Amino acid sequence: DTGVSQNPRHKITKRGQNVTFRCDPISEHNRLYWYRQTLGQGPEFLTYFQNEAQLEKSRLLSDRFSAERPKGSFSTLEIQRTEQGDSAMYLCASSLGAMSREQFFGPGTRLTVL
Amino acid sequence: ILNVEQSPQSLHVQEGDSTNFTCSFPSSNFYALHWYRWETAKSPEALFVMTLNGDEKKKGRISATLNTKEGYSYLYIKGSQPEDSATYLCAFSTGGGNKLTFGTGTQLKVEL
Repeated sequence: DTGVSQNPRHKITKRGQNVTFRCDPISEHNRLYWYRQTLGQGPEFLTYFQNEAQLEKSRLLSDRFSAERPKGSFSTLEIQRTEQGDSAMYLCASSLGAMSREQFFGPGTRLTVL
Repeated sequence: ILNVEQSPQSLHVQEGDSTNFTCSFPSSNFYALHWYRWETAKSPEALFVMTLNGDEKKKGRISATLNTKEGYSYLYIKGSQPEDSATYLCAFSTGGGNKLTFGTGTQLKVEL
């Protein structure tokens, strides 16, 4: 399968714990995006990378959130001191360069904070 | 603040019915309009990316139109089948097209 993959698919954690999600984009894609979808809403933009550089972060991304893409390939999204409001579907997408309009999505990681 | 609105929120149709959904978006600083189909437990699947006013695209029984001047797009499904059951999302991008702003989606259920 050469699509975007995300791990884990599901994560249940207790409030206050740290969690980390991983996204593997399509191999030749140099742009990588993170979105979050909460119940009843459409996906909301969190941040994106061009290769290893993080070019934009949404105001939704509080100080407890950090994203990295160290070698310009896979990316991780870490949430520290999770809160119940962090419960959501976290989606990753990738695209081929600045001129490509199409973003290809992974299946998401469903986070539940108890 | 960009706002993308979709209607209806949900729709139940019978197999064989044709249906359509609406997406409205801000008409200023338009770059592209995207339609995705999202089935439960799967990745959102790109259906169409449209950029030009008056664009019409077709993929099998599904087609879409775009009006950038008035800020709306329609998605049509002809002869709905149970496998069309999914949430249909539209998303709007501006400027360099870096980030997508999504609507809340239309949840379609096609019954036998």
